Amino acid sequence: ETGVTQTPRHLVMGMTNKKSLKCEQHLGHNAMYWYKQSAKKPLELMFVYNFKEQTENNSVPSRFSPECPNSSHLFLHLHTLQPEDSALYLCASSLQLDGSYGYTFGSGTRLTVV
Amino acid sequence: DQQVKQNSPSLSVQEGRISILNCDYTNSMFDYFLWYKKYPAEGPTFLISISSIKDKNEDGRFTVFLNKSAKHLSLHIVPSQPGDSAVYFCAARALSLQGAQKLVFGQGTRLTINP
Repeated sequence: ETGVTQTPRHLVMGMTNKKSLKCEQHLGHNAMYWYKQSAKKPLELMFVYNFKEQTENNSVPSRFSPECPNSSHLFLHLHTLQPEDSALYLCASSLQLDGSYGYTFGSGTRLTVV
Repeated sequence: DQQVKQNSPSLSVQEGRISILNCDYTNSMFDYFLWYKKYPAEGPTFLISISSIKDKNEDGRFTVFLNKSAKHLSLHIVPSQPGDSAVYFCAARALSLQGAQKLVFGQGTRLTINP
């Protein structure tokens, strides 16, 4: 257990469904991130939140909607997804300007869109 | 435009020998470089990092080398062990205007250590 918890671990959803991914950290970190990992591609940054404020949206389609109610929780709301959105979605957190240790990642949610 | 590249998708090394994983980058503004290790069904875990002002950092069996003029870094693992079999991601750090980190990742290299 890394200290960053993601639920659910696996999710299968239809293209017309609405679902949410949850991420929680109690490491005292100030920044939280959503990444997408597709097969044979680099981890793609989706969103960055710093002290609950969104600081980056990396041209993500509006069918992905993030929410950060506080520095410990991050959600990714999903609606009308496409099969090509099937991927591993990783949440991470970091201390602002923490030096060399980068992020702490969760174990990810494996999403399958059918 | 991919700013961090790992050109070898896979690498196979015999147990006890040296594993060398390579990474190239294009952005001169990156200030830290990191290596992450990922097992199946788990998130990436931090392995070792290096500041852009250094050219070498060593931690046990792991050493990272940075060649700024060539915009190239490498991870050396010696001796390689079966438990080192995993996907290794190279990452480079940039800071946003708001002070948050942003890590840019390579595609990963799958390392297999053969007994």
